[in-house]
Amino acid sequence: ILNVEQSPQSLHVQEGDSTNFTCSFPSSNFYALHWYRWETAKSPEALFVMTLNGDEKKKGRISATLNTKEGYSYLYIKGSQPEDSATYLCAFNSRTTSGTYKYIFGTGTRLKVLA
Amino acid sequence: SAVISQKPSRDICQRGTSLTIQCQVDSQVTMMFWYRQQPGQSLTLIATANQGSEATYESGFVIDKFPISRPNLTFSTLTVSNMSPEDSSIYLCSVARGQLFSHYEQYFGPGTRLTVT
Repeated sequence: ILNVEQSPQSLHVQEGDSTNFTCSFPSSNFYALHWYRWETAKSPEALFVMTLNGDEKKKGRISATLNTKEGYSYLYIKGSQPEDSATYLCAFNSRTTSGTYKYIFGTGTRLKVLA
Repeated sequence: SAVISQKPSRDICQRGTSLTIQCQVDSQVTMMFWYRQQPGQSLTLIATANQGSEATYESGFVIDKFPISRPNLTFSTLTVSNMSPEDSSIYLCSVARGQLFSHYEQYFGPGTRLTVT
């Protein structure tokens, strides 16, 4: 059974604070790691896909890092704004030696940015 | 990217009834997926909807409970049959670009929020 864990489950931060959360995944059969942002009543939106150990991706105030050897990824938000309030999902994309792909989501981190 | 719409956006249904959810994509896509998210749980893949053939179901999901249609490359439906309160979830369809089931990005619909009483 593949487990993808995200922490914390939820957090509240003040506007302007920087924050980060974690996605932990199995270190075997790694193929890619995805981050999505999901606002209430909207579609989940792809933020990043990372494939190589040591990858760092950045989009505006949001960035992500990847460590495939130890099985974790961090998502950072610098200077949080109320519009950053959403659930952030990671998804672990695995590929077995037999060529089977799996796409496993974590439970998400719910971020609330207080004005 | 792809623009995906789902209908209905939400519904409240009685136990024992069935609900069909529609997913419409603005362009032709090969791979369409149906997910659900039960309260406090991860997004879980129900099945892959294949155009012109039977859907492929994940472990724990069966065709009798979640029949899927995929009549063409832009449309799919998921039916939640004989509903119970445990079926209360958000149901999402998604599509993927790319030839292989590889490190593609998925594009999601806005979801259908189902409550079963």
